[in-house]
Amino acid sequence: TQLLEQSPQFLSIQEGENLTVYCNSSSVFSSLQWYRQEPGEGPVLLVTVVTGGEVKKLKRLTFQFGDARKDSSLHITAAQTGDTGLYLCAGERDSNYQLIWGAGTKLIIKP
Amino acid sequence: DAGVTQSPTHLIKTRGQQVTLRCSPISGHKSVSWYQQVLGQGPQFIFQYYEKEERGRGNFPDRFSARQFPNYSSELNVNALLLGDSALYLCASSRGAWTGSYEQYFGPGTRLTVT
Repeated sequence: TQLLEQSPQFLSIQEGENLTVYCNSSSVFSSLQWYRQEPGEGPVLLVTVVTGGEVKKLKRLTFQFGDARKDSSLHITAAQTGDTGLYLCAGERDSNYQLIWGAGTKLIIKP
Repeated sequence: DAGVTQSPTHLIKTRGQQVTLRCSPISGHKSVSWYQQVLGQGPQFIFQYYEKEERGRGNFPDRFSARQFPNYSSELNVNALLLGDSALYLCASSRGAWTGSYEQYFGPGTRLTVT
């Protein structure tokens, strides 16, 4: 059972379009992180959100943590081919040191 | 500065064999975590070590074990390999134990294939 559900699983769009990917759970997380992973490499941290309702921006990427700290979204404006990759969300729960991961959204940006 | 390094890069083993994977953290990082990533899925947490002590263990059988050395490098051992152990094994290092407070840096992983 996946505690963090990511949607969509796969997304292929044209360069210049906007997109949003989601990370949902029925559990509360003390923090939530978004990573991007490229083939043959480990995940690279994009952002950590810790406060309910928090919004963080990283250039064309906007991250939001849900008010109840159970869900998060990643919005990309004017997608570029360099945004192609596997986007993973991971949540930390107060009770232990484990990160719980979603299965990822595979994003392909076509030129 | 060197990033997280893992060895070997690729490994092919037969069912029933044992394997040892190695990880060197970024200089100054005292925490090492191990993850298993099966193709098409997100990483699954296996272990975290901080200051040479086990701080967390995921839902993996006792065939999986790990340790951290005085120089903070780490080894992951898997005994009695099964076909289902085929995966990318990722190591991540950070300055502290709390992943929400300290950024984790991942190595490129070791691709293990069990035949």
